[in-house]
Amino acid sequence: GEKVEQHESTLSVREGDSAVINCTYTDTASSYFPWYKQEAGKGLHFVIDIRSNVDRKQSQRLIVLLDKKAKRFSLHITATQPEDSAIYFCAASTGANTGKLTFGHGTILRVHP
Amino acid sequence: AQTIHQWPVAEIKAVGSPLSLGCTIKGKSSPNLYWYWQATGGTLQQLFYSITVGQVESVVQLNLSASRPKDDQFILSTEKLLLSHSGFYLCAWSLVGSAETLYFGSGTRLTVL
Repeated sequence: GEKVEQHESTLSVREGDSAVINCTYTDTASSYFPWYKQEAGKGLHFVIDIRSNVDRKQSQRLIVLLDKKAKRFSLHITATQPEDSAIYFCAASTGANTGKLTFGHGTILRVHP
Repeated sequence: AQTIHQWPVAEIKAVGSPLSLGCTIKGKSSPNLYWYWQATGGTLQQLFYSITVGQVESVVQLNLSASRPKDDQFILSTEKLLLSHSGFYLCAWSLVGSAETLYFGSGTRLTVL
């Protein structure tokens, strides 16, 4: 089955700098790649996604890149703010109507002043 | 606007005792519904999904069961808890026919002693 590896377990950046979280996947049939944010003790909050028909998507300070050849995708958070501090999960899906997302293990992002 | 409500927020239960967790979605007709489980410090794993009332598909065997008694309600239960059931349980919904984007509830923290 699909495996998603999230490369950074923790990431510490200074406020205003950029943060980059990298993920790789194994199943070439995966076509949908969402990112979720989890604050301490809370549920997952959807932040941005990308589908396999594009290689870049931006929403305000968030940019997602997809390299299908390398089976790699990444989340770039620009101009980081302290409220960006959280655990970020990447995930992959083949798009079947089962809602099955294969998640990475999460990256703890700390943005310090 | 859609809202997703999970109950209870937290539970502390004894091994061998029964469990029932609930989830209600308002503002969306006939959504796909899902249960995910997050082991402490770990990633998320899909447990069940339901496309319609009365139909639930099991994804992994963890001595848990799920039911969808109403269009907007999803229940997770077991008659005998194991220590390994501890973790964070998340309910999620998605649009029918566009099942990839999942929207999660705030979760239930379960501690089995």
